[in-house]
Amino acid sequence: EPEVTQTPSHQVTQMGQEVILRCVPISNHLYFYWYRQILGQKVEFLVSFYNNEISEKSEIFDDQFSVERPDGSNFTLKIRSTKLEDSAMYFCASSERKNSYNEQFFGPGTRLTVL
Amino acid sequence: KNQVEQSPQSLIILEGKNCTLQCNYTVSPFSNLRWYKQDTGRGPVSLTIMTFSENTKSNGRYTATLDADTKQSSLHITASQLSDSASYICVVSDRGSTLGRLYFGRGTQLTVWP
Repeated sequence: EPEVTQTPSHQVTQMGQEVILRCVPISNHLYFYWYRQILGQKVEFLVSFYNNEISEKSEIFDDQFSVERPDGSNFTLKIRSTKLEDSAMYFCASSERKNSYNEQFFGPGTRLTVL
Repeated sequence: KNQVEQSPQSLIILEGKNCTLQCNYTVSPFSNLRWYKQDTGRGPVSLTIMTFSENTKSNGRYTATLDADTKQSSLHITASQLSDSASYICVVSDRGSTLGRLYFGRGTQLTVWP
């Protein structure tokens, strides 16, 4: 069964460094998303992406964040200058099309630790 | 403000027993409500999705209900198994955003004991 994959599973970085989190969505999906979950807190929406542009972003998704689909398979989240509070689990999701369900399939996540 | 609240925060039951988890939401305009299962350190996995017109949906031992008038949902798990130990998250999608933005509850942490 096709699934969303994410790399790396765990990323440790120094404060102020740039990180790129990578995701490979399910191959026939057209809509892509990033979410984050700070330890012990609820999952929060960051950004949605369709047709090579951002469809919607939350207030969390400030100028330090960017997303890109550099080729036909990868979907990346870049944090330019990491802060301690960026430490969280980051989930990528994808969905096939927009309908009344628009079921999103989640990847296993990347745990980002900022020291 | 769009919010999703779940209760209880945590629940311990014995293997084989049933349980019911609750969800209240204020997300508007409403599109659909989902229940996800999230194992520790893993991504959420969809159990059920219900739109406005659906008031119950089953997936094996999981049965979800939706009352769109009172904005409440429940997830009933029958004959629990040890593998049911996980966080169960209620997620509501709105119609106001382009791709249906998801709003997550904090989850109910279910522990099934042998």
